[in-house]
Amino acid sequence: AQSVTQLGSHVSVSEGALVLLRCNYSSSVPPYLFWYVQYPNQGLQLLLKYTTGATLVKGINGFEAEFKKSETSFHLTKPSAHMSDAAEYFCAVSGGGGGNKLTFGTGTQLKVEL
Amino acid sequence: EAGVAQSPRYKIIEKRQSVAFWCNPISGHATLYWYQQILGQGPKLLIQFQNNGVVDDSQLPKDRFSAERLKGVDSTLKIQPAKLEDSAVYLCASSIHGGPSGANVLTFGAGSRLTVL
Repeated sequence: AQSVTQLGSHVSVSEGALVLLRCNYSSSVPPYLFWYVQYPNQGLQLLLKYTTGATLVKGINGFEAEFKKSETSFHLTKPSAHMSDAAEYFCAVSGGGGGNKLTFGTGTQLKVEL
Repeated sequence: EAGVAQSPRYKIIEKRQSVAFWCNPISGHATLYWYQQILGQGPKLLIQFQNNGVVDDSQLPKDRFSAERLKGVDSTLKIQPAKLEDSAVYLCASSIHGGPSGANVLTFGAGSRLTVL
């Protein structure tokens, strides 16, 4: 079965600092990978996705993620954090050996401090 | 386009009572999903519909949970009787066609928060 591990349930950064949220997946074949963001009392919103092709994927709000097959990772980054980035971020995987089911990680709560 | 609509947004019930949640997906979306999100955990798929047929309900606790999408449009998720551990946010999502493949993005509603006392 596929799984996703997000390292760090809480991450705190200063405004303007680099954001790095870690995601590792397990899959026997290259999967599809997603990052979703959830603001308080809202549903999940797609930030970006990796399907095939270019391993560096750019998303909304200045976020990007790089698919590294050798490390089975799909870390999310943003060069400069903004207060509005404070939210919970979920990495998710589908395809590969798990069929079409979308499996989520446990989430990382991002806090941005002045 | 209008998003995925869910109601009610909040519900508080006593254990052993019943509750129902409603979802109206984006118009034209054939696939509808119900997810359960327990505090501190990622969303977990409960059931997936393709039009009015069930594609995957392997993680639905069928002794107490039921869901239907009779006309292939809106859907209802019911819990009867509720347990304390059912306290969670119930998220509905829809997509144009089946499966969260690379060409198939899920759009989520705001969720229905259930508290079981």
